[in-house]
Amino acid sequence: GDSVTQMEGPVTLSEEAFLTINCTYTATGYPSLFWYVQYPGEGLQLLLKATKADDKGSNKGFEATYRKETTSFHLEKGSVQVSDSAVYFCALNPPNQGGKLIFGQGTELSVKP
Amino acid sequence: DAGVIQSPRHEVTEMGQEVTLRCKPISGHNSLFWYRQTMMRGLELLIYFNNNVPIDDSGMPEDRFSAKMPNASFSTLKIQPSEPRDSAVYFCASRKDGTRTDTQYFGPGTRLTVL
Repeated sequence: GDSVTQMEGPVTLSEEAFLTINCTYTATGYPSLFWYVQYPGEGLQLLLKATKADDKGSNKGFEATYRKETTSFHLEKGSVQVSDSAVYFCALNPPNQGGKLIFGQGTELSVKP
Repeated sequence: DAGVIQSPRHEVTEMGQEVTLRCKPISGHNSLFWYRQTMMRGLELLIYFNNNVPIDDSGMPEDRFSAKMPNASFSTLKIQPSEPRDSAVYFCASRKDGTRTDTQYFGPGTRLTVL
């Protein structure tokens, strides 16, 4: 079945470091791909999304490119801030399943000053 | 816009008791989703509704769980009887259908503890 695999956390970085959180997926057809972020004590918020191969989603300095050939959607940011500390979830929307999202297990990011 | 509203924010109950979680979606949204989040299993979709009709309940763990959406502005998730393994954070999300990439908006969650 459809699934999402993320790199395990926690990921600990110093402020201004480069961030990569790996995400790979298994799906039939062409899913849409998403990154959601969860700050402590809150619900999830959409960070960025991409709908087709080679699309790049971007928001707040974060980027991710839909790579069909490697079935990946890795999240990157050039210079992280303490305020980026959160849990990041990669998700896919399978074709022909309405709004259903399948989430990865989440990756906790901790940024130190 | 008030966002997705969930109540209560925290619930502590004893094993065997009935628990009812409530959700008010964003006005105008026509899809509603219930998720459960645990350390062991991550974020799982329990059920989702479209135009108040349950579309996919394959994630509902067992008969102790039931969900209803009597109208476009209210949904409940009920657990009867509750068990300690039901302890988790339960999220409700809503979405306005248009394209496949329309955003799901999540509520703040209900943290359930079953003793």
